[in-house]
Amino acid sequence: QVQLQESGPGLVKPSETLSLTCTVSGVSISSYYWSWIRQAPGKGLEWIGYVYYSGSATYNPSLKSRVTISVDTSKNQFSLKLSSVTAADTAVYFCARGSTAFDLWGQGTMVSVSS
Amino acid sequence: EIVLTQSPGTLSLSPGERATLSCRASQSVSSYFAWYQQKPGQAPRLLIYGASSRATGIPDRFSGSGSGTDFTLTISRLEPEDFAVYYCQQYGSLRTFGQGTKVEIK
Repeated sequence: QVQLQESGPGLVKPSETLSLTCTVSGVSISSYYWSWIRQAPGKGLEWIGYVYYSGSATYNPSLKSRVTISVDTSKNQFSLKLSSVTAADTAVYFCARGSTAFDLWGQGTMVSVSS
Repeated sequence: EIVLTQSPGTLSLSPGERATLSCRASQSVSSYFAWYQQKPGQAPRLLIYGASSRATGIPDRFSGSGSGTDFTLTISRLEPEDFAVYYCQQYGSLRTFGQGTKVEIK
């Protein structure tokens, strides 16, 4: 049974870097593309970017200057770093499988940006 | 950026009724199109990909149609568990989502 689980701090200070990890179980991370998607409170879904096991990544142009998505095949994990955060980055962050349609999702983790 | 516009914003229906949700893309995405269902406090669930292919385990009361810029999700007979928010998504050029349609109990 394939599962994805997000982990990381639930509170980040403005101007700092948000860091999250998604641990994949039940399948090798080398077999698929992997994505991050977020949802601000009461709002819709926003695609952040995706990564392949090789490390090749593609990002949402609106976030590209602040985002890095990387993969650690030895731990079967992939990670998100979002720099210079503001209150507008407060959201539930989901990791998901795929780069086109996202067929499997983690439960999501709430990250608040506040001093 | 391709903008997806969903209509209506809210659909009020009774169990057993047919639901028809629409999504229009600002430019053609061919059939690179998906639909998701999201319930409160849960992650989205993939329903339809490739505009009309049902994802694994999705009941056949859910169907998708369309290509180019106009797409439709149809739920043939609403079950109590189908009342939720539905999002469309395109993957023809980068990735964007629609703003969602809420299907609520009338």
